[in-house]
Amino acid sequence: NAGVMQNPRHLVRRRGQEARLRCSPMKGHSHVYWYRQLPEEGLKFMVYLQKENIIDESGMPKERFSAEFPKEGPSILRIQQVVRGDSAAYFCASSDGETDTQYFGPGTRLTVL
Amino acid sequence: EDKVVQSPLSLVVHEGDTVTLNCSYEVTNFRSLLWYKQEKKAPTFLFMLTSSGIEKKSGRLSSILDKKELFSILNITATQTGDSAVYLCAVVNLSGTYKYIFGTGTRLKVLA
Repeated sequence: NAGVMQNPRHLVRRRGQEARLRCSPMKGHSHVYWYRQLPEEGLKFMVYLQKENIIDESGMPKERFSAEFPKEGPSILRIQQVVRGDSAAYFCASSDGETDTQYFGPGTRLTVL
Repeated sequence: EDKVVQSPLSLVVHEGDTVTLNCSYEVTNFRSLLWYKQEKKAPTFLFMLTSSGIEKKSGRLSSILDKKELFSILNITATQTGDSAVYLCAVVNLSGTYKYIFGTGTRLKVLA
């Protein structure tokens, strides 16, 4: 049973480009969470999605950032017109919605030049 | 504002020592508290605690929750170099949606 998958593992973008991060939850999980982690800091909640629905996006900047979790396919976190301050590790986690335990993917390390 | 505070921020010990990591919280509508271990990649799940006073144990690791005093501790006995990691505490807030609030973590380094 594969765990949470994220790709790419590393992504380099120049300022102004778009970054697209993908997350495939564990089999049987329909709840996906995205977090951002800066060096030496904890995980900051960004957005919580269920299939085709955004449940809570209170941690996500209102501009340039968007997330989706379509009926088919992975969840996608999209950052438009990236800036240097977007450089961070972005982790995705999934749960089955029955328990509170989240399982994390390996993360995508975004570097903006 | 909901918050989770972990202490100490960092800790250096020698193999064989016992360590206690602390996590205190202030959240509305507490639901559960979780501990994770993060090495250089994804956080891995250690424990989930929902009830006060009931110790959860896994090998050399154990954890307990005090819902009256709003804190949890994670104990590691007979530490090994492989225990070196950042230990994260997260609290689940039942208000609105199930939002997870993470502390900044305790960075543990175990020296041989």
